[in-house]
Amino acid sequence: AQSVSQHNHHVILSEAASLELGCNYSYGGTVNLFWYVQYPGQHLQLLLKYFSGDPLVKGIKGFEAEFIKSKFSFNLRKPSVQWSDTAEYFCAVKTMDSSYKLIFGSGTRLLVRP
Amino acid sequence: DTAVSQTPKYLVTQMGNDKSIKCEQNLGHDTMYWYKQDSKKFLKIMFSYNNKELIINETVPNRFSPKSPDKAHLNLHINSLELGDSAVYFCASSSGTSGDTQYFGPGTRLTVL
Repeated sequence: AQSVSQHNHHVILSEAASLELGCNYSYGGTVNLFWYVQYPGQHLQLLLKYFSGDPLVKGIKGFEAEFIKSKFSFNLRKPSVQWSDTAEYFCAVKTMDSSYKLIFGSGTRLLVRP
Repeated sequence: DTAVSQTPKYLVTQMGNDKSIKCEQNLGHDTMYWYKQDSKKFLKIMFSYNNKELIINETVPNRFSPKSPDKAHLNLHINSLELGDSAVYFCASSSGTSGDTQYFGPGTRLTVL
């Protein structure tokens, strides 16, 4: 069965620090990849997505992610975090044999200290 | 101009009761979903409807019954509520089914006492 792993469950950074959140998936075929963010008390919002083409994708609020097919990874990065980036971050994968469902990772809780 | 809306936002009820959560989207999408987010923030799909037809039905107790009166609405009815049903339930929608971005509602926090 397909699965998505987010290795960092909790990350604490100071403002201006760089961020990288790991995401790995298990599936050998074509995938669509997503990062969603959930700010405290709010719903999930799409940060960025990868369907095809340039493996380095840029999203909103200065986030980017790189798809490395050989490593089955789609890590999220931001060069300089802000206090307002405090949130829960979810990686999600849609594979061609999972019908129409997204498979989510367990999430990474990011706390940015001012 | 809310894209995906859910009501109620909070729902507190006793064990054994029956309750419904409503979802509406005004994005013109033809596919809608229900997800459950547990206390550890883990998100799992429950159901999906495409053009009012059920296309995903995960291993969910049959006390949960989705109903889609039209493409813009997907309601979730839960019978005989149990303590373990306490969670945040998210509705989502997408245009088409294959890989399109899903847009999420604000969630309904259900607490069963």
